[in-house]
Amino acid sequence: EDQVTQSPEALRLQEGESSSLNCSYTVSGLRGLFWYRQDPGKGPEFLFTLYSAGEEKEKERLKATLTKKESFLHITAPKPEDSATYLCARGIREKLTFGTGTRLTIIP
Amino acid sequence: DGGITQSPKYLFRKEGQNVTLSCEQNLNHDAMYWYRQDPGQGLRLIYYSQIVNDFQKGDIAEGYSVSREKKESFPLTVTSAQKNPTAFYLCASSRTGAKEKLFFGSGTQLSVL
Repeated sequence: EDQVTQSPEALRLQEGESSSLNCSYTVSGLRGLFWYRQDPGKGPEFLFTLYSAGEEKEKERLKATLTKKESFLHITAPKPEDSATYLCARGIREKLTFGTGTRLTIIP
Repeated sequence: DGGITQSPKYLFRKEGQNVTLSCEQNLNHDAMYWYRQDPGQGLRLIYYSQIVNDFQKGDIAEGYSVSREKKESFPLTVTSAQKNPTAFYLCASSRTGAKEKLFFGSGTQLSVL
C-alpha cells in the first residue's frame, strides 16, 4: 500500500519569497500524483495531475514536478492569497492515498 | 454553474442518534465518494459508488451507510455505531476513468453534543 508523506507540515513565507513543498511516496509505478489546494472550512480544489517522471505542470505562480519517488510544488513570488493547505494524493480514483498536507502562510 | 452541493454546513449529533449528510452533484459524473478529514490526518475514504444502485466500502466504512438511488445524489448516514463521528466530511465526484480528478464539495462539519 502506498504511503504519502508531505513536508514541511507548515511553512511561513514573506510575500515574494519563493520555496518548494515536498510530497514523497513509497510505491513506484504508473499511478497519478494529484495536487489540491484547500482553504479553511472548504473542500479541496484540484490543481495538477502528474503521471510520468520528468513531467511538469504550471499554473500562475505554482509549478508541480514529478520524479520516481517524489513530487515538488514550487511556488514563485507568492502572494497572500496563495495561503492555504496544499494536499497531494497518489493513486487512481477510489485507490487514492492522501498526505496530511502542508499549511502555507504568506505574510504581506 | 456545475458543482457539488453538501448540506448542512454544520451538524450536531446527540448520543444514539443517526444523522444524514446530503451530497448532490450536477456534473453528470458517474462516480461519487465520501471522505472523512480529521486534524493532522489525510483524507480517508468511507464509501464510494461508481454507478447508480451500487456502492463499495472504503477504508473506514464501519458505522456509516450510504445509498445511490439517483446519479446526482449520494447521501451518507452516520449511525450510532460510529463512536467517534466528530470530523469534517467531504463528498466528491469524478468521471469514470483512471486518470480522472476528483471534484469536492464544500464539506459538512459534524460535531457531537
